[in-house]
Amino acid sequence: DAGITQSPRYKITETGRQVTLMCHQTWSHSYMFWYRQDLGHGLRLIYYSAAADITDKGEVPDGYVVSRSKTENFPLTLESATRSQTSVYFCASSERGLSEQYFGPGTRLTVT
Amino acid sequence: AQSVTQLDSHVSVSEGTPVLLRCNYSSSYSPSLFWYVQHPNKGLQLLLKYTSAATLVKGINGFEAEFKKSETSFHLTKPSAHMSDAAEYFCVVSHLMYSGGGADGLTFGKGTHLIIQP
Repeated sequence: DAGITQSPRYKITETGRQVTLMCHQTWSHSYMFWYRQDLGHGLRLIYYSAAADITDKGEVPDGYVVSRSKTENFPLTLESATRSQTSVYFCASSERGLSEQYFGPGTRLTVT
Repeated sequence: AQSVTQLDSHVSVSEGTPVLLRCNYSSSYSPSLFWYVQHPNKGLQLLLKYTSAATLVKGINGFEAEFKKSETSFHLTKPSAHMSDAAEYFCVVSHLMYSGGGADGLTFGKGTHLIIQP
């Protein structure tokens, strides 16, 4: 199906473990983004990517790592998960030159 | 720097009555403004977008928003609420991102939870 997908949709992990959240888009959009959503904070940008092999930090990057070897994929890795990283994570994409972003369905991550 | 303030964390209306969700913004340049909606356990869906072409913007599902530069506001309205409108609504302002050029970042408000009473 066309669009933007995220996997897994739900994940429970333990403190200290490495976790990778996957994001895949079929539109060939240049830009991709990772956000976290927490009560009282709205959505906050973690990392974004302007193209394959180009990534940059957003508002809350600490504890996260990203890569983008292919245009369509933008995985987010928590190298050593902490309880403060319990959140809902959204991936988004946008076309170069346009402002609106299109969001995936989200991944609910719980760190115990 | 840009910021967004959604003036109400919760709004409750009766089905069939008008909806007003209030949003004020600040930006150091002429931004694009958006409203996104999030239904329970779903992703975010674009409702409407303002990009300076017209101050009154019509979106999906009967929603519209009016850009008022003098008031730095971008309030969302709907003439008659439907039960299916119950959701979280986010007002969003764009900002420039310089890495690679060519696209904007988004700054989100904290959201307004819309409750529809039967």
